[in-house]
Amino acid sequence: DAKTTQPTSMDCAEGRAANLPCNHSTISGNEYVYWYRQIHSQGPQYIIHGLKNNETNEMASLIITEDRKSSTLILPHATLRDTAVYYCIVSGNQGGKLIFGQGTELSVKP
Amino acid sequence: NAGVTQTPKFQVLKTGQSMTLQCAQDMNHEYMSWYRQDPGMGLRLIHYSVGAGITDQGEVPNGYNVSRSTTEDFPLRLLSAAPSQTSVYFCASSYSLAYEQYFGPGTRLTVT
Repeated sequence: DAKTTQPTSMDCAEGRAANLPCNHSTISGNEYVYWYRQIHSQGPQYIIHGLKNNETNEMASLIITEDRKSSTLILPHATLRDTAVYYCIVSGNQGGKLIFGQGTELSVKP
Repeated sequence: NAGVTQTPKFQVLKTGQSMTLQCAQDMNHEYMSWYRQDPGMGLRLIHYSVGAGITDQGEVPNGYNVSRSTTEDFPLRLLSAAPSQTSVYFCASSYSLAYEQYFGPGTRLTVT
């Protein structure tokens, strides 16, 4: 599975959009991009995933570049409850194995 | 649905003791997995299963055994606990390989 690179931490003002970048330059054609988040001490929570096209659900939007070497998770109106560690993971179908990196610690501030 | 449940929530073991961490899901998911998370770190995959009777190793399998006799249950056994196994253990399940995984609340294990 391809590795990912994320900033260690980011801040965002409450009510503004939070844009979390992820680089995955070695992604292969059958690998998906997944985003999970972990709020302090809890089990990780699935947010969204995609292969090629941009995706949107009730929680977030996922923008994947045309060459698929990077992506951005967008939380359109961040709230204090969105403060968490966000993990970008690239995984293929072969085992559904999620290899977690260090993630980005997002702090939403009033 | 209860989702993914894990027991116990907390456990303290002495070095050399054995124990089993329980994980159960009521969503009829085929895929289940175990992760450990050390302080300040991301999760690391220990073992996973793609269905009853089928298990495989993840990144850090040493010192742990698993079996999958039913779709619902996926216990993790520590054979001889070591202080290096002090961690938070998360179980997860999903409908199939590429679908989102649902995580349990975790078991906090301390080995002294």
